[in-house]
Amino acid sequence: RKEVEQDPGPFNVPEGATVAFNCTYSNSASQSFFWYRQDCRKEPKLLMSVYSSGNEDGRFTAQLNRASQYISLLIRDSKLSDSATYLCAVKDSNYQLIWGAGTKLIIKP
Amino acid sequence: DTGVSQDPRHKITKRGQNVTFRCDPISEHNRLYWYRQTLGQGPEFLTYFQNEAQLEKSRLLSDRFSAERPKGSFSTLEIQRTEQGDSAMYLCASSLRGDTSYEQYFGPGTRLTVT
Repeated sequence: RKEVEQDPGPFNVPEGATVAFNCTYSNSASQSFFWYRQDCRKEPKLLMSVYSSGNEDGRFTAQLNRASQYISLLIRDSKLSDSATYLCAVKDSNYQLIWGAGTKLIIKP
Repeated sequence: DTGVSQDPRHKITKRGQNVTFRCDPISEHNRLYWYRQTLGQGPEFLTYFQNEAQLEKSRLLSDRFSAERPKGSFSTLEIQRTEQGDSAMYLCASSLRGDTSYEQYFGPGTRLTVT
């Protein structure tokens, strides 16, 4: 089993819809959690950190479920510009980031 | 631009040649990381530095790979005797510190193609 797993997708979603995807992690000692966005052939860019209480940034909401060992990302009112690959990263007890392979999101007009 | 920079952005080399990449982190960041990413995968950790000290190397980093950060500022990653399997995007990231909540910020990457 991989340490961090994501559904690779693609998720094909109409513009304006709400989409959510999860990322599961295997190490219960994981310290902190992040969502990154990566456009084709570009570097990952930090989207948001995921706090225990959950956090929201505009149309984006991230949640952490420690009991079930997953984090989620919800995107409301999706835009064409949200099309990208969304990577989750989990910081382990050695403060190293372990990455999922990403979920590809395609927003269609 | 005060973000992480990498040079070159693209490198095409023949198998067996040596290549060197450079990374300039965000100036106040004391941690610097190297990752490798292939198509359809997330970044794979290679090594990281705390200031000038190289603190950890992945088992992915064979003896053909070496990294330095001589003055605790920029870093170089060298690959000797390149192989076709080395073709990938090499990403550098930096963070203010390494502990729990400090995020890593990435440079644009160096795309290596070994022919």
